[in-house]
Amino acid sequence: GAGVSQSPSNKVTEKGKDVELRCDPISGHTALYWYRQSLGQGLEFLIYFQGNSAPDKSGLPSDRFSAERTGGSVSTLTIQRTQQEDSAVYLCASSPGGGLAGEQETQYFGPGTRLLVL
Amino acid sequence: SQQGEEDPQALSIQEGENATMNCSYKTSINNLQWYRQNSGRGLVHLILIRSNEREKHSGRLRVTLDTSKKSSSLLITASRAADTASYFCATDIGAAGNKLTFGGGTRVLVKP
Repeated sequence: GAGVSQSPSNKVTEKGKDVELRCDPISGHTALYWYRQSLGQGLEFLIYFQGNSAPDKSGLPSDRFSAERTGGSVSTLTIQRTQQEDSAVYLCASSPGGGLAGEQETQYFGPGTRLLVL
Repeated sequence: SQQGEEDPQALSIQEGENATMNCSYKTSINNLQWYRQNSGRGLVHLILIRSNEREKHSGRLRVTLDTSKKSSSLLITASRAADTASYFCATDIGAAGNKLTFGGGTRVLVKP
């Protein structure tokens, strides 16, 4: 089916406002990841969902960041009281999941949401 | 600090030449992947090499892995202008789950 989609493509917001970023993973993929990429940098892991297990939130930079995944499919990343340093491209990826512990699976990335906090 | 670090940070070559970039990492890994990113957007998976593999090929791509040196290399042969992109290596960082830790990337410019 279709690949990973993200919305919006671009988001400009004012400092202090809340934003919600959406990710639609590939149908049937049980694993979903959020990453953040600052300008000219590599990707920084934020959060990981696998099926119905508790998410791995170890990469979230502060308590202003949260994410949920409803019905094991769509995920929303919320940033509260945005700061200028939150400006980045937020990338979502999904993978089939269900692999053995330690086995790495190809991740399929969405096009990202470019967030600019003024 | 990042698990993976690419070298060089930037590479400029003529079309037809080969491009080689390296990735070093710090802790033991199960597998290593290479991704390509165009225009700062979504990443495209190129190739995965497992810890018990030393070399892997996919089309014009050749990846090596040296676990004793904790390093990997990506070779693009007979480069084309369309290969212009940023290339990232990524390693798994946990026994459970498939979180990837990315290096800072190598920006490759292939001049026609």
